[in-house]
Amino acid sequence: DADVTQTPRNRITKTGKRIMLECSQTKGHDRMYWYRQDPGLGLRLIYYSFDVKDINKGEISDGYSVSRQAQAKFSLSLESAIPNQTALYFCATSDGARETQYFGPGTRLLVL
Amino acid sequence: GESVGLHLPTLSVQEGDNSIINCAYSNSASDYFIWYKQESGKGPQFIIDIRSNMDKRQGQRVTVLLNKTVKHLSLQIAATQPGDSAVYFCAELAGNRDDKIIFGKGTRLHILP
Repeated sequence: DADVTQTPRNRITKTGKRIMLECSQTKGHDRMYWYRQDPGLGLRLIYYSFDVKDINKGEISDGYSVSRQAQAKFSLSLESAIPNQTALYFCATSDGARETQYFGPGTRLLVL
Repeated sequence: GESVGLHLPTLSVQEGDNSIINCAYSNSASDYFIWYKQESGKGPQFIIDIRSNMDKRQGQRVTVLLNKTVKHLSLQIAATQPGDSAVYFCAELAGNRDDKIIFGKGTRLHILP
């Protein structure tokens, strides 16, 4: 079984809808991250968490919110989705700042 | 501004030849660098890392070179195979950025038969 899983893997939604992307990990890592990937722009950090209830803004947090209620789970919400949030979203975990980040398989989101 | 970038967006290499993927960074405080490989439809996968107190590190078929003088990082893949086809990202981490990793835009490696 994969160490970092994301659900759903694909999602199509309409402008204005609220959606939630889920991430779960079995690696026992304290640190979890949400990234967004757009063609030609690489990975950009949305939010990150160093522990349960700890939330930190990344480079592009506007329009997103997160929740870290348990060590193994980190969810990303789009309160009111807009078309320019169409992208590939990745969750990652790590055991520390200078430790390898392990990525999930990604969620492809299309906002119409 | 601070950035992590790649010199070439696409690199085509003959199967069996060595591949060299380059990366420039601008933050002199960066002290940890990572290379990731992303295959189509998958998340990035760690390849190799290097800390700023080193200038070379070797893994299985891969070598990372770090030149802090010119703020340049490279990934060398020996005897490139079809399975090496992917997008390669360099990433940097600096303590003065709250330990957040900054990713470059990526280079696509295309293997010619």
